[in-house]
Order: sequence, then C-alpha cells, then structure tokens
Amino acid sequence: GAVVSQHPSWVICKSGTSVKIECRSLDFQATTMFWYRQFPKQSLMLMATSNEGSKATYEQGVEKDKFLINHASLTLSTLTVTSAHPEDSSFYICSAKAYSTEAFFGQGTRLTVV
Amino acid sequence: AQSVTQLGSHVSVSEGALVLLRCNYSSSVPPYLFWYVQYPNQGLQLLLKYTSAATLVKGINGFEAEFKKSETSFHLTKPSAHMSDAAEYFCAVSDSGGTSYGKLTFGQGTILTVHP
Repeated sequence: GAVVSQHPSWVICKSGTSVKIECRSLDFQATTMFWYRQFPKQSLMLMATSNEGSKATYEQGVEKDKFLINHASLTLSTLTVTSAHPEDSSFYICSAKAYSTEAFFGQGTRLTVV
Repeated sequence: AQSVTQLGSHVSVSEGALVLLRCNYSSSVPPYLFWYVQYPNQGLQLLLKYTSAATLVKGINGFEAEFKKSETSFHLTKPSAHMSDAAEYFCAVSDSGGTSYGKLTFGQGTILTVHP
C-alpha cells in the first residue's frame, strides 16, 4: 500500500509557542489530505480537508486561525498549531489520498503542551 | 450526513474464541465502509473495506466483515482470536467516489481484549 509519513511522532512544547507537524506522501501524489484529532480514549474527529494548491476546508468548530494548514505540494501538507495551550494536547493524525483512491494514514503525532 | 455507531466500547474474548465487533452506519448515499485497527500511540492500519463490490469482505489477519444494507450493518468478525489482536478497532464510513472518498466519519471505537 501507499506510504504516508508523519513527523514528528511526538512533541512537547511550552504553552504559547507554535508547533508544526508534517505529513508526507512518500510514493504517490496526494491531491487531498485530511487532518484528524484524537483526544484520549476518544475517536478520531476530522479537523480539516486540504486540496493541493487550495485553502483548507475546516470542520465546524475548528479554529482556522489556530490550526494553520498548508498543502503547497502534492506530497506535503503541514499543520501548525499556533499559540498552543494545554487543551490542544492531543494525537494528531493525517491521511492522504490521490483522486478516487482511498486515504492512507500517517502514524500520528502526539502533542503535549506544558 | 453520515454517522457510525459501534456497539460496545469494550469487548473481551478468550484466545481462540470468535471475535465479533459490531458497527452500524447511517448514510444518505451509498456508503463505502472501512475497519481500521489502532495500536497504542500509533496510526491507523486498514483491515478491510467495502466499496460496493462483494458484500462479504475479507481483510488482513483473518478478519472479515459483511455489508448488510437491510440492517445498515458492517460487523467485523474473526473466527479465532489471537493475543496479537488486542487493540482498538474503528469502523468508518465515507462517501463513495471522487474527492469525498477518503473523508471518513469514525465510530467511537471498540477496545478488544484477548485473554489467554
């Protein structure tokens, strides 16, 4: 299957700082990438959908100014958590797909804000 | 709108016993359905998917699921549980086709425990 790499696997940052998470499709061109958030003992919730070269579409209740998504190339999307606070601590997972294919998931990023 | 309900947040079985994880969906369009497994602090691994072909779908690691439109169900089964099956399992639904394919709505997850 297709490989999606997410980096870093885990990160600890201080409250008020920004953190960038990368999602790369290693062996295919990803026309669409999805970003999910998973709180402890909960399911995955879609945060936003990004298409290459376009602005991301955010789900209701997700602050677009806080969670900046960039999908500048067909193999890379980034999620930047700006001015992170402890309540942003979560597991963030990306998935990537080519047109008309299923989405493939990265291994996730554990963010802890202290 | 789509939704997925997984009945039972925790399922416990003995090694060698049948595994049955339940999933019911709601969708206004013909759905694509998926089962994923997640190990602690890891991403999701696809077990199997239904994309409107055969209603009985066979996946990896001996898992299979049957799409039953009349019951709006897509239950996951495995005849004989193995200790390595202990993990959290997610059922998910997606619109079929095009750019919406891959935008997933997940169920709440079911933690499977396997006892020796």
